[in-house]
Amino acid sequence: QKEVEQDPGPLSVPEGAIVSLNCTYSNSAFQYFMWYRQYSRKGPELLMYTYSSGNKEDGRFTAQVDKSSKYISLFIRDSQPSDSATYLCAMTTPRGNMLTFGGGTRLMVKP
Amino acid sequence: GAGVSQTPSNKVTEKGKYVELRCDPISGHTALYWYRQSLGQGPEFLIYFQGTGAADDSGLPNDRFFAVRPEGSVSTLKIQRTERGDSAVYLCASSWRNQPQHFGDGTRLSIL
Repeated sequence: QKEVEQDPGPLSVPEGAIVSLNCTYSNSAFQYFMWYRQYSRKGPELLMYTYSSGNKEDGRFTAQVDKSSKYISLFIRDSQPSDSATYLCAMTTPRGNMLTFGGGTRLMVKP
Repeated sequence: GAGVSQTPSNKVTEKGKYVELRCDPISGHTALYWYRQSLGQGPEFLIYFQGTGAADDSGLPNDRFFAVRPEGSVSTLKIQRTERGDSAVYLCASSWRNQPQHFGDGTRLSIL
């Protein structure tokens, strides 16, 4: 079993919908959590970076961490076709070196 | 430069050949990371540099893979006797201390 699990999708939603993306993890040593967006043939682009349990909001994006359940989420409000991409969750321990990624969820937002 | 730069963007070579992949990190970033991403998968860690030294090379799959960062800036990932299973996107990332990592667009390596 992988340390970080993520539904691969694809997830198809209409423009304007609220999108919920999720990851579960098994290693309780993970303390820092990130969401990256990856467009086709591009590198991962950092969207959100969180440490503590709870919510962090940045524009249309909200990251949620529940360390007791080992579960993290990314919500996208008012989704746009330009949000169509693969979303990768990533996490690391307090040493903050290597990232452990989920497999990515492919999102398609249809106009 | 503004971001992490990786060259070449694409590399096609024959099985058994030697390849070098280059990464130019964000200026001032002391930490540099290499990852490998297979199709439909998330990136997997290969090696981490802090300055010139490899602080963690536990992700290198075997001794055909080697990486250097001689002056603490540009890094080169070297693969000897390439195999078809080495085909993947090789991603480089850099960071300032323990801040989040920023990635380049990768080198797409195809072994024929």
